[in-house]
Amino acid sequence: QVQLQESGPGLVKPSETLSLTCTVSGGSVSSGSYYWSWIRQPPGKGLDWIGYIYYSGSTNYNPSLKSRVTISVDTSKNQFSLKLNSVTAADTAVYYCATLDPSSSDAFDIWGQGTMVTVSS
Amino acid sequence: DIQMTQSPSSLSASVRDRVTITCRASQSIANYLNWYQQKPGKAPKLLIYAASTLQRGVPSRFSGSGSGTDFTLTISSLQPEDFATYYCQQTYSSPRTFGQGTKVEIK
Repeated sequence: QVQLQESGPGLVKPSETLSLTCTVSGGSVSSGSYYWSWIRQPPGKGLDWIGYIYYSGSTNYNPSLKSRVTISVDTSKNQFSLKLNSVTAADTAVYYCATLDPSSSDAFDIWGQGTMVTVSS
Repeated sequence: DIQMTQSPSSLSASVRDRVTITCRASQSIANYLNWYQQKPGKAPKLLIYAASTLQRGVPSRFSGSGSGTDFTLTISSLQPEDFATYYCQQTYSSPRTFGQGTKVEIK
């Protein structure tokens, strides 16, 4: 069973770049079974989809973040990553990595535990 | 973007109550609708996909229905572990969007 684990700094300064990694275990990012996704949740608020990547490198981003987001995959490390540049306090959130399963109506069926990122000087 | 609106935003219910949560899409999304459960401090958990298909391992007291723009999540007999926040999500088009959530609290 695939498991996901987010990692990265918990504190990022305004205008800098937020960088997170999701390590995949129990499966391979190269398998082609999933799209590898990022979702975030500001404190006390709902869920926002950030984007996803396929093992081939093709991506799909939320237009609201597209100018600032890059999602990449590292097959050698079995990881995928999120970079969000020019962050502001509005980017403070719990960031989740998740699998998007095309065979389950593109549902996010496996989630990491989430990592809190605070944007503050 | 397709807007997803859930109602109510919160509800109070007792154990063994039947609970229904509704989700309305701003345009037709066929059956491209998923439901998630989130408990405090935890990641969301997929309950139902394609509007009515129960994710494996999810108790049968959960059910989903609807198509087009109107959908429902029903818990037939609320259990103590069901007190949580529930989100709908559309996968008909990009960007994927979620409802604002419905918090189910203990009466």
